[in-house]
Amino acid sequence: QSALTQPASVSGSPGQSITISCTGTSSDIGGYNSVSWYQQHPGKAPKLMIYDVSNRPSGVSNRFSGSKSGNTASLTISGLQAEDEADYYCSSYRSSSPLYVFGTGTKVTVV
Amino acid sequence: QIQLQQSGPGLVKPSQTLSLTCAISGDSVSNNSGAWNWIRQSPSRGLEWLGRTYYRSKWYNEHAESVKSRITINSDTSKNQFSLQLNSVTPEDTAVYYCARGTRSRSGWYPYDYWGQGTLVTVSS
Repeated sequence: QSALTQPASVSGSPGQSITISCTGTSSDIGGYNSVSWYQQHPGKAPKLMIYDVSNRPSGVSNRFSGSKSGNTASLTISGLQAEDEADYYCSSYRSSSPLYVFGTGTKVTVV
Repeated sequence: QIQLQQSGPGLVKPSQTLSLTCAISGDSVSNNSGAWNWIRQSPSRGLEWLGRTYYRSKWYNEHAESVKSRITINSDTSKNQFSLQLNSVTPEDTAVYYCARGTRSRSGWYPYDYWGQGTLVTVSS
């Protein structure tokens, strides 16, 4: 069961914007608007940041935004802050097993 | 305030059964717009969705093909909880296991909006 492909790491300075990509296929990202993004700090459970490609749950900063083009989804963090340093994972429905698939994860570093 | 509280052993011997429970507060396991998931995370496999149970006039279960022959997910409405059983475990099943609620969005998908605290399960003799 192939995971969605993300860059291993992305870094940025405070106040900058960064974008994390998540590449899949027409059987997952390209075929459905089900992409969600999760933030995970060390030793903690993941936290939902974006769902249905571009929607933010209540309480999530509007510095986080999501989009999709073809088989690739993206998460953009604008006005980067020290607290944004974490691992980020995308997820999507897939038409074959395992039904739901995660990305390989991206470590965001604020330098 | 919705909370998911996991319980279960952190050490399981090879070939035995891994059993975890997720107790729900602030919601109902038989919520018609929810789905109750088990997800695990390991350095070698990353985040991996294992399966889910949900109630829509009757109970449904869905599982990842990779564990389909070994996994059982049950719900207990009297205790408002759901459980995971994974049979015939090997060291490859060593991971942090999470329970998570999926809530139906307006588009009909089920993002994981609440998670348990995670349980590190080590498979070792």
